[in-house]
Amino acid sequence: EAGVTQFPSHSVIEKGQTVTLRCDPISGHDNLYWYRRVMGKEIKFLLHFVKESKQDESGMPNNRFLAERTGGTYSTLKVQPAELEDSGVYFCASRPGTGGLSYNEQFFGPGTRLTVL
Amino acid sequence: AQSVSQHNHHVILSEAASLELGCNYSYGGTVNLFWYVQYPGQHLQLLLKYFSGDPLVKGIKGFEAEFIKSKFSFNLRKPSVQWSDTAEYFCAVSLYNFNKFYFGSGTKLNVKP
Repeated sequence: EAGVTQFPSHSVIEKGQTVTLRCDPISGHDNLYWYRRVMGKEIKFLLHFVKESKQDESGMPNNRFLAERTGGTYSTLKVQPAELEDSGVYFCASRPGTGGLSYNEQFFGPGTRLTVL
Repeated sequence: AQSVSQHNHHVILSEAASLELGCNYSYGGTVNLFWYVQYPGQHLQLLLKYFSGDPLVKGIKGFEAEFIKSKFSFNLRKPSVQWSDTAEYFCAVSLYNFNKFYFGSGTKLNVKP
């Protein structure tokens, strides 16, 4: 079974530019999460999709961040325009809907390291 | 707001030493507890998890953790570490629905051969 994948692995952009991060969850996982880790601090929740619907976006920092999950498969996280403080590692995770041994576990991708200069 | 504290930010041990990493959380209700590990260049992997039952949980690679409700703690232990345990370890808490994990700031473990 393929794990959660994220693209790109690294992105270096200048302040004011736009960047789009992509996450492909494990096939069949209804739940998809975005997290961010800034400057070696704690990993913080950004938002949660159930299929294509946003279930919880309480962690989104501001309206420069836009997440989508069209069709309930992969998700994108766009930052526009990027600011210096957006630098960090963006993690995606997925979790099955209900049932099964792993329904209560989030499976993480390798992360995208974003550097805003 | 919920918070998770990992008091050890960087731990250096020699091989065969015993390990204990602290984790405390602030939520007073029912919680689900996790330890994740990130080996260099790899993604976060689940070491172990606790939801209910026996407060002593055994995970992969010889790790275990003990949930002490009265202390709001979920410390990670391993009797004898190996060089391959060099990694960053994260404690995480979720509330009733396994969504929205709250993470600690991570502990970097460096095991000297």
